[in-house]
Amino acid sequence: GENVEQHPSTLSVQEGDSAVIKCTYSDSASNYFPWYKQELGKGPQLIIDIRSNVGEKKDQRIAVTLNKTAKHFSLHITETQPEDSAVYFCAASGFGNEKLTFGTGTRLTIIP
Amino acid sequence: IAGITQAPTSQILAAGRRMTLRCTQDMRHNAMYWYRQDLGLGLRLIHYSNTAGTTGKGEVPDGYSVSRANTDDFPLTLASAVPSQTSVYFCASSRDGDYGYTFGSGTRLTVV
Repeated sequence: GENVEQHPSTLSVQEGDSAVIKCTYSDSASNYFPWYKQELGKGPQLIIDIRSNVGEKKDQRIAVTLNKTAKHFSLHITETQPEDSAVYFCAASGFGNEKLTFGTGTRLTIIP
Repeated sequence: IAGITQAPTSQILAAGRRMTLRCTQDMRHNAMYWYRQDLGLGLRLIHYSNTAGTTGKGEVPDGYSVSRANTDDFPLTLASAVPSQTSVYFCASSRDGDYGYTFGSGTRLTVV
C-alpha cells in the first residue's frame, strides 16, 4: 500500500517569513495530494489539493508543488501569520475508491 | 446539522466495556470513513464505507466494527475496549469521485 512520509515534524517560523513542509509518497499510481490544517481541538480541514496532471497550484498565500518523477510534493505558506499556527497533514491516494493515506503531521508555530 | 456531527465529544471508558461512537452527515456524501489519531502516528484508517450497505477494512481494523444502514450514519463500535484504543477518533465523508474529505470534530476516548 501507499506510504507517506512528512518532514519536518515541527517547524517554527518568524511571522512574515515563509514556511515549507515536504512529503514523499511511495505508490507511483497515486494521483491526488491534499493538504489539511488541524487547529487545536478541531478536525482536519482541507486547505488545498493538487492532482497529478498539475505541477503547481496556488491559493492566495498557500501553494502546493508536485514532482511526480521524484514522488514528492510540498506545501508553501508565504507571509505567515499567527493564525497559520496549526498542525498540517499531507495525504495521497490513487484512482477510484482508493483511500487517503496521511503523513504524520507537522506542527507549525508562527513566532510573533 | 451542517457537515458531520460526532458524539460524544469525549468519553472515559472502563476496559472491557462496549462503546459506540456516533457519526452523522447531512451532505448526502456516499463515502464515509473512520480514522484514529495518535501522537506521532498521524491519521490511520480504521474502516470505511464507499456507499450505504457496504463497508471495508482499513489499516487498523482490529477491535472495531462498523455498519452503514443508510447514507447519513456510520457508527463505530468497540466491542470490548482496551487501553490501546485510547485515541482521538475522527469520522469523515466524501462525494463519489471527489476526494475532498470533510472531517467531524472528533471524539476523544480514554480507556482505563
